[in-house]
Amino acid sequence: QKEVEQNSGPLSVPEGAIASLNCTYSDRGSQSFFWYRQYSGKSPELIMFIYSNGDKEDGRFTAQLNKASQYVSLLIRDSQPSDSATYLCAAIRGSYIPTFGRGTSLIVHP
Amino acid sequence: DTEVTQTPKHLVMGMTNKKSLKCEQHMGHRAMYWYKQKAKKPPELMFVYSYEKLSINESVPSRFSPECPNSSLLNLHLHALQPEDSALYLCASSQGVVGTARDTQYFGPGTRLTVL
Repeated sequence: QKEVEQNSGPLSVPEGAIASLNCTYSDRGSQSFFWYRQYSGKSPELIMFIYSNGDKEDGRFTAQLNKASQYVSLLIRDSQPSDSATYLCAAIRGSYIPTFGRGTSLIVHP
Repeated sequence: DTEVTQTPKHLVMGMTNKKSLKCEQHMGHRAMYWYKQKAKKPPELMFVYSYEKLSINESVPSRFSPECPNSSLLNLHLHALQPEDSALYLCASSQGVVGTARDTQYFGPGTRLTVL
């Protein structure tokens, strides 16, 4: 059973802080990882993808991948209230079908 | 342009109605997907079309019938649904290159379906 695990939260951080969202996966064959942001009642929006071990930065977002530990994370710097949403982690093995985690709810309070 | 469009945005139907959901993309993607999402749950895969052929059916009841008229369009025909089928129905597309894991899915805005 391929699983992607996320803490459902909510994770509450003050405005301007760094939010750290974590995801672990059970399938060692997973090769690519995606972070989606989903506002309540809306569809998932791609934030970042990462294939290689290490860090990948895009604006205020940094994705980190550690394949040895089967761990992927998303850091959001200078968090804003508009970042309040559910963040879905997804992993793909060899086919193009992702396995989604249950999502982490992030609340950024002013 | 990474846009996937879906119509209608909202749909209310009775259990005896027949309706269709539509999805369109013009990114040249060869894989298209239907997902069902209930509140506070992740998207649940229903169907995958690859190169206009149905490649995955995740044991979805026959009251849901997918159709892919061409490489840009994906329909989901609905008939005799149950109230528990009420959910957000999401369409997604990706390049769909088999054998690669580097295949990013882009989601449409979804159709909020309510079955009375």
